[in-house]
Formats: sequence, C-alpha cells, structure tokens
Amino acid sequence: EVQLVESGGGLIQPGGSLRLSCVASGFTVSSNYMSWVRQAPGKGLEWVSVVYSGGSTYYADSVKGRFTISRDNSKNTLYLQMNSLRAEDTAVYYCARDNYGNNPFDFWGQGTLVTVSS
Amino acid sequence: DIQMTQSPSTLSASVGDRVTITCRASQSISSWLAWYQQKPGKAPKLLIYKASSLESGVPSRFSGSGSGTEFTLTISSLQPDDFATYYCQQYNSLWTFGQGTKVEIK
Repeated sequence: EVQLVESGGGLIQPGGSLRLSCVASGFTVSSNYMSWVRQAPGKGLEWVSVVYSGGSTYYADSVKGRFTISRDNSKNTLYLQMNSLRAEDTAVYYCARDNYGNNPFDFWGQGTLVTVSS
Repeated sequence: DIQMTQSPSTLSASVGDRVTITCRASQSISSWLAWYQQKPGKAPKLLIYKASSLESGVPSRFSGSGSGTEFTLTISSLQPDDFATYYCQQYNSLWTFGQGTKVEIK
C-alpha cells in the first residue's frame, strides 16, 4: 500500500529554519517525481518544489533561494529544508507523488503544519 | 509562469443538481489538466487527469472536458459526499493550481 507520512512541522520564529520529512512506503521515492505542496490557512494549494527521479530540482519563485528539496534513497524519504522563514510561509505542507513524471499527483501525505510567528 | 483561474469561487447547490466548474489557463496547456477534490482537514484527492480521464475509483458522475485554455469539471448529479472544494491544476509546465471552488449546500 502506498503511504506518505510527513513530519517536522511546528512553531518557528521568523528568520528560523526547519526541516520537513516525508517517509514513503509501498513505492520507491527515487523512481518518482516527488513534490512539496503547501496550503496556507483558509487558502488554496501552492506547489512549492519538486525533485525529479533523475535528481533535478525546481522551486516556486516564492521559496527559491530559501528552501531546498532533497531525498535519502536509503531511507526512502523526501525532505524540505526551509531557511529564512517568513510569516507568509505558514501553511500545511504536503508531500505528493507524481508517478509518471510531469503528471498530476496521485498520492499525498496527510500534511504537517508549519507556523512562522514570534 | 502559467496562471490558472477558476470560476466561480463558491457555488451553492442542492443534492441532485448538475454542477459545472470552469478553469482557464493563461496560455495553452493542451490537455495537461487535472482536477482534485479536497475536504476540510484532508489532503486533495485526484479526480481527473489529462482533462477528461477519470482516475481509478472515482464515480462516473464526475467528468472533465476541454483543451487549450478552457476546461470544465462537471458533476452530473451532486451527492452529499461531493460538498467540498475543487481545484484545477496544470502540469504542462511544472505545476500550478487554480484558486479553488467551494461547493456548498444550498
């Protein structure tokens, strides 16, 4: 059974850093395109970042230079390192799988809440 | 960047109604469009991909159409479980979501 479980969210002060994790089961992270998508409270969905199966990475302009996506193939885990956090980064962060590459997201995690506030 | 615009933002409907949601892309995306359903506190669920292909397990009352820049999601007969927020997503160039359409009880 395919499953994605995020962790690492919490309350962090502006300017701080946080690393989110997404543990996958039932499939191999490195064989898929894996993305992070966020949703601010009461707002819509925003794609944040992707790591392709080949290792290329891309970011939304809103996080470029501050966030870094990575994966640990031995742990079948996806990460999002978030630095220089701002209040507007407050959101539920979901990891999501694109099974075929440049396709929609067929599986999502349950999300982890990041709150940036002093 | 490709922008996606959904309409309406909110839709009030009754059980049994036929419901249509529109999504427009700022440039042609061919048929690289998906629709998701999201309920409060839950992750989005993929309903339709490639504009009109039904994801496995999704009821046939959901259908999608369109190509280029204009797309629609139709629910042929609204059921109690369908009250939720719906998002379109383009995947022609990375990924972009529409702002969402909330389908609420009339």
